[in-house]
Amino acid sequence: QAQLVQSGAEVKKPGASVKVSCRASRYVFTNYGISWVRQAPGQRLEWMGWISVYNGNTEYAPRLQGRVTMTRDTFTTTAYLDLSNLRSDDTAVYFCARGSGTDAFDVWGQGTVVTVSS
Amino acid sequence: DIVLTQSPLSLPVTPGEPASISCRSSQRLVHFNGNSYLSWYLQKPGQSPQLLIYLGSNRASGVPDRFSGSGSGTDFTLKISRVEAEDVGVYYCMQTLQTPLTFGGGTKVEIK
Repeated sequence: QAQLVQSGAEVKKPGASVKVSCRASRYVFTNYGISWVRQAPGQRLEWMGWISVYNGNTEYAPRLQGRVTMTRDTFTTTAYLDLSNLRSDDTAVYFCARGSGTDAFDVWGQGTVVTVSS
Repeated sequence: DIVLTQSPLSLPVTPGEPASISCRSSQRLVHFNGNSYLSWYLQKPGQSPQLLIYLGSNRASGVPDRFSGSGSGTDFTLKISRVEAEDVGVYYCMQTLQTPLTFGGGTKVEIK
């Protein structure tokens, strides 16, 4: 069945940037959007934004605007999350999920741990 | 932003017994098309969330029929007719009616 496989854990210093990848397989990549969700320790799930894989349009959570960029490569069926100017409270598990707009998220990646520490 | 409040925070359950989780929204989640954009997820220990219910009451593919979703407007409920040991984990509701999308705080289900 459809699958999303994410890149491995990252450790970054405050102020740095991180790029997480999410490779899709076993479905038509351009038929669905990709959303990004993060889960900080002890916090509820937080939606970060989504990208339309079809045309590359994006929508980001207002509190992350200016620091987050979502892109995709339709040739490699991979979506990317870039988060810049990292802070300690960006330490979290980052998930990609299939779905955008009003869609529920029916396929999830395995998660990528990002640790921000000096 | 739409705020989703789940209750209870923790739910100890006996296998074979029913369980119920509430999700209350700060705004109505009904779209003009009549759909309620509320979904339910289960995050088992050490795993990613998995979709259980979408559009308030539709079971996702492969989800056992002991799971059911109901509700409308601002009040939604997830019910498990007979809890099994594999159902332990944290349950979340999520609204996709308006951005930013938001999640409830989670309900931890554990076996007594």
